[in-house]
Amino acid sequence: GAGVSQSPSNKVTEKGKDVELRCDPISGHTALYWYRQRLGQGLEFLIYFQGNSAPDKSGLPSDRFSAERTGESVSTLTIQRTQQEDSAVYLCASSPSGTSRVAFFGQGTRLTVV
Amino acid sequence: KQEVTQIPAALSVPEGENLVLNCSFTDSAIYNLQWFRQDPGKGLTSLLLIQSSQREQTSGRLNASLDKSSGRSTLYIAASQPGDSATYLCASGRTDKLIFGTGTRLQVFP
Repeated sequence: GAGVSQSPSNKVTEKGKDVELRCDPISGHTALYWYRQRLGQGLEFLIYFQGNSAPDKSGLPSDRFSAERTGESVSTLTIQRTQQEDSAVYLCASSPSGTSRVAFFGQGTRLTVV
Repeated sequence: KQEVTQIPAALSVPEGENLVLNCSFTDSAIYNLQWFRQDPGKGLTSLLLIQSSQREQTSGRLNASLDKSSGRSTLYIAASQPGDSATYLCASGRTDKLIFGTGTRLQVFP
């Protein structure tokens, strides 16, 4: 596709369940980012992938959160044993390598934990 | 640790006014500074990217400037229109990640 694609667009889950969010970056983009945006808040960095380098996981809020990326393609963000405070929009972005890279964002996945 | 602050948090103006949105960052060792627009319920759209070696970038009615030494960037919107209503976010870019400000929520009324 032409842009960053995220699925599902909306997810309602019960507290304690595991969820998996998917991100398809723009083809050829080596960098991929996950951010979380709570209602009325700014974007909170979660994790960053760059090519085959070890990912920067410094933003993951707890060990219930994990993410994987297959090469330079699809990424999945997994949240285990979801809590109500996990409710947010999860945004994925990708960018090409280099310092002049512009980040392109997907539409996000709105996660609601009930 | 990089911190990015945006002022004002919200702005409401009549159509036709020229606007200045402010962004400040604490760590000047950045590779670039990006401005984004976010519409309600949607993702972010990139507006302008200024590389660390540049002073400003222009796109249509938008002009963004960068002063690394003082840790500041401004987004200038000329002749604002109701369609400009959105939240504007700045983000400082390094080799690893983009750090975002909390945004300026802009409303332009007819």
